[in-house]
Amino acid sequence: NAGVTQTPKFQVLKTGQSMTLQCAQDMNHNSMYWYRQDPGMGLRLIYYSASEGTTDKGEVPNGYNVSRLNKREFSLRLESAAPSQTSVYFCASSDQGGYTDTQYFGPGTRLTVL
Amino acid sequence: AQSVSQHNHHVILSEAASLELGCNYSYGGTVNLFWYVQYPGQHLQLLLKYFSGDPLVKGIKGFEAEFIKSKFSFNLRKPSVQWSDTAEYFCAVRPSGTYKYIFGTGTRLKVLA
Repeated sequence: NAGVTQTPKFQVLKTGQSMTLQCAQDMNHNSMYWYRQDPGMGLRLIYYSASEGTTDKGEVPNGYNVSRLNKREFSLRLESAAPSQTSVYFCASSDQGGYTDTQYFGPGTRLTVL
Repeated sequence: AQSVSQHNHHVILSEAASLELGCNYSYGGTVNLFWYVQYPGQHLQLLLKYFSGDPLVKGIKGFEAEFIKSKFSFNLRKPSVQWSDTAEYFCAVRPSGTYKYIFGTGTRLKVLA
């Protein structure tokens, strides 16, 4: 049982390059999330997917796109990276409802955009 | 807009000192409340949560939190901290009827041995 996995762990991009961050969970959770963590700003929600087939914008969606490929996988794409997107990106999943309502986080991807 | 405020950004304590981290949220309806912790080099993990019932909830590693509805607060406490409690602590809420979790800016706790 791996929980939530993310690839890659580290990435350096040049301004204007594109990349996709991958996330997968093996807990059969319905909901998945992408956050970015910046010093002094906590965790900010980029996009989320309440269930397979749906995606919605979070607090800071500009410059990003997402795909909920299936129940397990939720990817985040940067089409044209900018230095302001330098951050640590966390994927999370949860199975809301009942007593659970707990988010499980991946190990994070540290992205630097030069 | 819904928000979560954590007033202490950095806290330094000596071992055995008592800890209280403040958390306030701005939302008038029903919420589920959480504290998450991120130890150095590790994933964020759940420390404790409150949905309903007894407003004093206990979590892992001796942590507890008290929900005060009238103050929109959910403060985290520990009577005696240890060096291993050094971490970043995040308060979060999930308003009822939504799928979104709203996190505070975090509090970095350093415990001196």
